[in-house]
Amino acid sequence: GQQLNQSPQSMFIQEGEDVSMNCTSSSIFNTWLWYKQDPGEGPVLLIALYKAGELTSNGRLTAQFGITRKDSFLNISASIPSDVGIYFCAGLQLSGTYKYIFGTGTRLKVLA
Amino acid sequence: DSGVTQTPKHLITATGQRVTLRCSPRSGDLSVYWYQQSLDQGLQFLIQYYNGEERAKGNILERFSAQQFPDLHSELNLSSLELGDSALYFCASSVGDGTRGGEQYFGPGTRLTVT
Repeated sequence: GQQLNQSPQSMFIQEGEDVSMNCTSSSIFNTWLWYKQDPGEGPVLLIALYKAGELTSNGRLTAQFGITRKDSFLNISASIPSDVGIYFCAGLQLSGTYKYIFGTGTRLKVLA
Repeated sequence: DSGVTQTPKHLITATGQRVTLRCSPRSGDLSVYWYQQSLDQGLQFLIQYYNGEERAKGNILERFSAQQFPDLHSELNLSSLELGDSALYFCASSVGDGTRGGEQYFGPGTRLTVT
C-alpha cells in the first residue's frame, strides 16, 4: 500500500540532544499529523497541522506543515528516555478519493 | 487511555479460519477506522465507517469485511486466514467523517497470530 517516506528510519541519540525527523511525499496533503507509538501499543496523536507553513508546538515537540504541502517535519528538543518509540507521520488527502496515509516510521532510541 | 477499546487483545487461530475483531469508539465519535500493522511495518489503512456507513476504503482484502452497528461499535471480520494475515490490527475513531481535522484516536490493538 501507499506510504509516506519518513527519514531517518532509526536514530540513536544521547539524552538531552535535539531530534529532527521528516516526512516527504510527491503528493499534496491537506492535513499532516504526527503520532508516537510505544511497543505493543496504539499510536498516540502528538500534533496536528492544517495549513501550509503552520508551525505548532506541544511541549518539547514542534512540527511544521511544509510550504509546498508535500512535507512535514517534527523536532523534539532536549530528548529524555521516555521519548523512545516509533514516530509516524500521517497525511490526509482530500483530492479525488479521500485518503489517509501513514509514513514508514522513525524509530528513536535515547541513550541515557 | 484514548477511550477506544478493542477486544480481544490477543487472538491465535489456524489458517483457513475466520475471526471477528471488535472495536468501540470514544464516546461521541462517529467514525471508526481499521488499520493493519505487520511486524516492524507502518500502518496500512483498511477501511473507515462513519455513522454506520462505509466512508473510505484502503487496501482491504476481499477476505476481510467490516461493519459499524447502530451503537457505533464496529467489527472487522477476517476469513480464510493465511499466515501473512498475522499482524496487529488497530481501530481508531474520530469525531467527524475525517475530511476535516483528521485527528484519530487509536485503541490498544488486537494481536492476531495465524498458525
